[in-house]
Amino acid sequence: AQSVTQPDIHITVSEGASLELRCNYSYGATPYLFWYVQSPGQGLQLLLKYFSGDTLVQGIKGFEAEFKRSQSSFNLRKPSVHWSDAAEYFCARFKAAGNKLTFGGGTRVLVKP
Amino acid sequence: EPEVTQTPSHQVTQMGQEVILRCVPISNHLYFYWYRQILGQKVEFLVSFYNNEISEKSEIFDDQFSVERPDGSNFTLKIRSTKLEDSAMYFCASSTSTGQENLFYGYTFGSGTRLTVV
Repeated sequence: AQSVTQPDIHITVSEGASLELRCNYSYGATPYLFWYVQSPGQGLQLLLKYFSGDTLVQGIKGFEAEFKRSQSSFNLRKPSVHWSDAAEYFCARFKAAGNKLTFGGGTRVLVKP
Repeated sequence: EPEVTQTPSHQVTQMGQEVILRCVPISNHLYFYWYRQILGQKVEFLVSFYNNEISEKSEIFDDQFSVERPDGSNFTLKIRSTKLEDSAMYFCASSTSTGQENLFYGYTFGSGTRLTVV
């Protein structure tokens, strides 16, 4: 079965520092991959998506992600985090059969002043 | 920007009671979904719904669960006899249907209903 793994449960980063969140997906055909952010008490907001083409994708709020087929990874990055980036981040994979998303376990990001 | 609306935002119910969670999908969307997130765990797919019938459901979606589109705008999730382990955040989502990529481009989540079973 297709799966998505986020190895880091928690990450603490200082404001202004760079951030990288890891995501690995299991083997399959060209994956459709996404990153969502969930702020406390809020719903899921789409940050960015990868379907095909350029392996470096830009998203909202200054985030980007790079698809690396050789490593089965789709890591999310931001050069300089802001206190408002403190949230939980979910990597997800879209499965056309059933049109459903399979989510990773999430990474909670804490931002230190 | 179009939104998926969920009501109520919080619901507390007694174990064994029936609960109905409500969702208003985006008006031109044709696929509807429910997901849930137990506190501290990953977001899990429950069910997808198209053309007035379930198109896929997960093993979580047992006989205690049902979905309905009672009119042209609402999409509901009913839990017949709630259990403590049904306590979770329930997310509704909807998407368009024209082609695989376009289908995803419209995939929008609501803000969720937090269900607490006591």
